[in-house]
Amino acid sequence: DSGVTQTPKHLITATGQRVTLRCSPRSGDLSVYWYQQSLDQGLQFLIQYYNGEERAKGNILERFSAQQFPDLHSELNLSSLELGDSALYFCASSAGRIANTGELFFGEGSRLTVL
Amino acid sequence: LAKTTQPISMDSYEGQEVNITCSHNNIATNDYITWYQQFPSQGPRFIIQGYKTKVTNEVASLFIPADRKSSTLSLPRVSLSDTAVYYCLVGSNTGGFKTIFGAGTRLFVKA
Repeated sequence: DSGVTQTPKHLITATGQRVTLRCSPRSGDLSVYWYQQSLDQGLQFLIQYYNGEERAKGNILERFSAQQFPDLHSELNLSSLELGDSALYFCASSAGRIANTGELFFGEGSRLTVL
Repeated sequence: LAKTTQPISMDSYEGQEVNITCSHNNIATNDYITWYQQFPSQGPRFIIQGYKTKVTNEVASLFIPADRKSSTLSLPRVSLSDTAVYYCLVGSNTGGFKTIFGAGTRLFVKA
């Protein structure tokens, strides 16, 4: 158990809809990262937050947005969903602002299926 | 941003030592090298991290030459349960930090 909690574990929805994925980082971790992993694909970095502020942005679509709340949990909002958005969405957390000197702890992921 | 290159896949047999090499020619001075393991439908799990020379823990060793342009993850005596994807990761703090995973190496351990 990494200590990172993601909900829901599974989500099935239709094209055009909007969903929210939630992540609770490990206790004390200030950084939260979101990744997308499509079938048999690598991990695509989407966005990072540190203590409530956006820290880095990767290949995140304009239809997607995220935020980190004062209690440090984070939400990833996906709107106007398309079939290609079907994927595993992982959240990770780390203690510091820069993860290159520390370990990322990943949650078990939220599997999104868009029909 | 340091880009990494790893073999797409490797096969091995139980009990053998497996070495997976990662190239990262543009590694920055402040970057560390980290390896993760991922099983299907699970989040990646940290294996080992190093900056230079050699690092060893209870599951693996990491060899980094002096120029730091590559690194080798060494898994001693693999078992079937080591079948997974292994990612080499080089952190970058250029223009805002991004943790970029490459395509990874799919290791298949046979009996």
